[in-house]
Amino acid sequence: LAKTTQPISMDSYEGQEVNITCSHNNIATNDYITWYQQFPSQGPRFIIQGYKTKVTNEVASLFIPADRKSSTLSLPRVSLSDTAVYYCLVVTQVGSARQLTFGSGTQLTVLP
Amino acid sequence: DAEITQSPRHKITETGRQVTLACHQTWNHNNMFWYRQDLGHGLRLIHYSYGVQDTNKGEVSDGYSVSRSNTEDLPLTLESAASSQTSVYFCASSDSYGLDGTDTQYFGPGTRLTVL
Repeated sequence: LAKTTQPISMDSYEGQEVNITCSHNNIATNDYITWYQQFPSQGPRFIIQGYKTKVTNEVASLFIPADRKSSTLSLPRVSLSDTAVYYCLVVTQVGSARQLTFGSGTQLTVLP
Repeated sequence: DAEITQSPRHKITETGRQVTLACHQTWNHNNMFWYRQDLGHGLRLIHYSYGVQDTNKGEVSDGYSVSRSNTEDLPLTLESAASSQTSVYFCASSDSYGLDGTDTQYFGPGTRLTVL
C-alpha cells in the first residue's frame, strides 16, 4: 500500500503563494496524484490532479518531479477563504483492484 | 442539479447494534466509495464499488459491509457497532476512468456516528 506523508499544518498571509508537499513512496509510472480541499463539516472537494511534471488549472498548480517521490500543490495568492485542510491522494491500480491512499492532511491557516 | 446525499447526518447508537448509513447519488456514476475520517488519520477507505453487484474491500473493511443493488445507492452497514467505529463517514462517487486516467471523486456531506 502506497504511503503518503504531509506536513500537519502551515500558516500563511493573504496574497502569498503557498506550497504544500506530499511525499509518496511506491508510486508507479501510471499512478496519479490528486489533491482535495476540505472545510469543516463538509466533504472533501477536488482541486487538481496529475501524473507528471506540471499541471495548472484556474485555482492551483501541481508539480511532480521526475522521480515522482513527491508532489507539490501550489496555491497562488491565497485568501482567508483558502483556510482549510488539504489532502493528497494516491490512487494505485493493482491488477483489477484499486488502492486509494489519502495523506493525513495539512491544515492551512491564512492570516490577514 | 446532480448531487450526492448521506443520511442520517448524525447518529448515536449503542455497542452491538446494527447500523446502516445511506448514500445516494444522482450523478449516474459507476464508482462509489465509503471512507471514515478520524483525527490524525485523514480519510481511510472502507469499501468501494465499480458498479451494480460489484463490491470491494478497502483498507479498513473489518466490521463493515456494503451491497450495490442499483447505480444510485451504496448503503454501509455496521453489523455490530463498536466504540472504535465512532467516526465521521463520507460517501463519494466518481465516473469511470477517462482516457487520460482522471477520476474525480465527489463527496457527500458526511455522517457523524457515535457508538456508546
